[in-house]
Amino acid sequence: DVKVTQSSRYLVKRTGEKVFLECVQDMDHENMFWYRQDPGLGLRLIYFSYDVKMKEKGDIPEGYSVSREKKERFSLILESASTNQTSMYLCASVMGGGDTQYFGPGTRLTVL
Amino acid sequence: QQPVQSPQAVILREGEDAVINCSSSKALYSVHWYRQKHGEAPVFLMILLKGGEQKGHEKISASFNEKKQQSSLYLTASQLSYSGTYFCGTGGTSGTYKYIFGTGTRLKVLA
Repeated sequence: DVKVTQSSRYLVKRTGEKVFLECVQDMDHENMFWYRQDPGLGLRLIYFSYDVKMKEKGDIPEGYSVSREKKERFSLILESASTNQTSMYLCASVMGGGDTQYFGPGTRLTVL
Repeated sequence: QQPVQSPQAVILREGEDAVINCSSSKALYSVHWYRQKHGEAPVFLMILLKGGEQKGHEKISASFNEKKQQSSLYLTASQLSYSGTYFCGTGGTSGTYKYIFGTGTRLKVLA
């Protein structure tokens, strides 16, 4: 059964802290994505990766960076968390040549 | 630029029908539809790869008008289980690895 897991369901951090969100998929998928979900704005793409060590910016990359050292793991990093980064973060993966995205359960991040 | 969905929210009674629209300012190579139930991850519903293609099951179906850069999701005789947020998306094998999702439509079905 397809599985995408995220390191935390809920996270509370302070302004200025460095935050790591981890995503792991067990499907050997080439492509992985990070989205943030806000009411009225839908899912907005932050970064994606189509191979190990490869990354591309999405529509809202400012304030974020990513790391993909292994195929199954894609990390989202908030270098210095700010209150406007309070949001739900969703990770997804897609196999190479495929179309269907498999999502993780999400991490609700609150920055105080 | 992410696709815009309309309406933003809709409330239905069981058995009623609904249409959710997805409109893009850019060319659409494919359209995906996902549903996210409250507190859960979005789940894939269907994909439309060709202009004019209509797909789906008997009660949830979709159409894709490539020329108008639009897609519509049709929910017929809605059930309580249809409640959730619906997203259209574009990207993938027919276009680019960059998947973009729409603004979302919250649908609530009441008994």
